[in-house]
Amino acid sequence: QSVLTQPPSLSAAPGQKVTISCSGGSSNIAIDYVSWYQHLPGTAPKLLIYENNKRPSGIPDRFSGSKSGTSATLGITGLQTGDEADYYCETWDSSLSAVVFGGGTKLTVL
Amino acid sequence: EVQVVESGGGLVQPGGSLKLSCAASGFSFSGSAMHWVRQASGKGLEWVGRVRSKANSYATTYAASVKGRFTISRDDSKNTTLLQMNGLKTEDAAVYYCTFTYYYNLDVWGKGTTVTVSS
Repeated sequence: QSVLTQPPSLSAAPGQKVTISCSGGSSNIAIDYVSWYQHLPGTAPKLLIYENNKRPSGIPDRFSGSKSGTSATLGITGLQTGDEADYYCETWDSSLSAVVFGGGTKLTVL
Repeated sequence: EVQVVESGGGLVQPGGSLKLSCAASGFSFSGSAMHWVRQASGKGLEWVGRVRSKANSYATTYAASVKGRFTISRDDSKNTTLLQMNGLKTEDAAVYYCTFTYYYNLDVWGKGTTVTVSS
C-alpha cells in the first residue's frame, strides 16, 4: 500500500491528452516538491518533472506537472505510442522520514 | 559522461546476504547523496534508502521494510556506494537501482542489478 495513490492504469488514443493523478497527505505532497518519472521495463527510470512543474532539459513541453494541496497531476498532451510506460510520482514524507513513490500508473496508448 | 553502474546482483537463499555496488563517474561523487531504489517483478518503484555526503555526516535513512537488515555506505575514495543486504527475504527480490540528484531531483539512474532470493 503506497503512501501516494495513483490510478493503476489509464489508456488514451494517440494525439489525445491524459492526466495522471497522485494523491497524498499533509506529511508529503502538502509540504514538499513532487517529481514524476517515466519507467519502461528493463530500463532506468527517467525524470520528467521536478519541483512540481519544472521540466529537465530535453523533456518536451508535452509533459507538464501541477500541484494543489495534497494532490499532484502529470499531464501529457499529443500522446504518442512511445509514451506507453509506467509513470510514478515521488516526494519526501516527513512522518516516515523517507522518499515515497506512488504505486505507479500504466499508460496504454491505443 | 555522468553515470552510475550497479553490480553485485545474483541468486541468494532466504536468510542470506548480498552486497551491491554502485560505481559513479563524471561528477563530484563526494558531494552527492546516493540513493537505492528497487522494483520487484510486477510491482512499482520502492525507495530503499540513502547515504548523504561527508558534509552531512554520511547520514543514512532507510525504508521501514529494510531497516535493520540493509546498510548503505560509501567510499568516496573509490566513488562507490554499497548496499549490504542481510537477512534477505523472498520479497527483497527485485531490480535494484542506484540514483542521485545531479541537476534536478534523482535525475541520474543506473540500469539496475537483479537480486533473486530463492531456495
